[in-house]
Amino acid sequence: NSKVIQTPRYLVKGQGQKAKMRCIPEKGHPVVFWYQQNKNNEFKFLINFQNQEVLQQIDMTEKRFSAECPSNSPCSLEIQSSEAGDSALYLCASSPRRNQDTQYFGPGTRLLVL
Amino acid sequence: QQKVQQSPESLIVPEGAMTSLNCTFSDSASQYFAWYRQHSGKAPKALMSIFSNGEKEEGRFTIHLNKASLHFSLHIRDSQPSDSALYLCAVRSGSFNKLTFGAGTRLAVCP
Repeated sequence: NSKVIQTPRYLVKGQGQKAKMRCIPEKGHPVVFWYQQNKNNEFKFLINFQNQEVLQQIDMTEKRFSAECPSNSPCSLEIQSSEAGDSALYLCASSPRRNQDTQYFGPGTRLLVL
Repeated sequence: QQKVQQSPESLIVPEGAMTSLNCTFSDSASQYFAWYRQHSGKAPKALMSIFSNGEKEEGRFTIHLNKASLHFSLHIRDSQPSDSALYLCAVRSGSFNKLTFGAGTRLAVCP
């Protein structure tokens, strides 16, 4: 079973509202990824971290999305002003090393924006 | 930008059959090729991965990579109902371990 913990499992927001979800990576995994999986099962990479440092992020993340992985606290992904198109499954994954390819996923937070 | 495509979109096979899933990618410099499996409502889980051309077998699962053809595949021998899931192929090119996923093949194995 996955050891990556994501909360909440389900999130319902109105358009324009903030939506925040959290991820606790597997113990000993300093590398964390966020992906968005839409209703067609398509994955979109959002951002990844090594410890607190952002390694890579897409343009979408730079505008309405913000993410952080503070020391000794869960990682978080927040959408500042939710849009209907943001409705998706948000998956967090972790990895034990930066050059370790296998990623270990959590069960996701399913966001519905009404 | 890397494009990863899977075929078929969905597949129904009888229990005990051989199942073959396909994945094509666009970046010839890709370095890591993997299959993940996602049961409904569950986390995607890595099944198998390969780095260089050839085949690798683990139990009932075989992964085959042909970089020149920009293609890799997953073969499941003696398919079981518990294999019913969404199968996702993933490719890494470049640094920082970002994976590009295909849109998945939904497999149903009927008893």
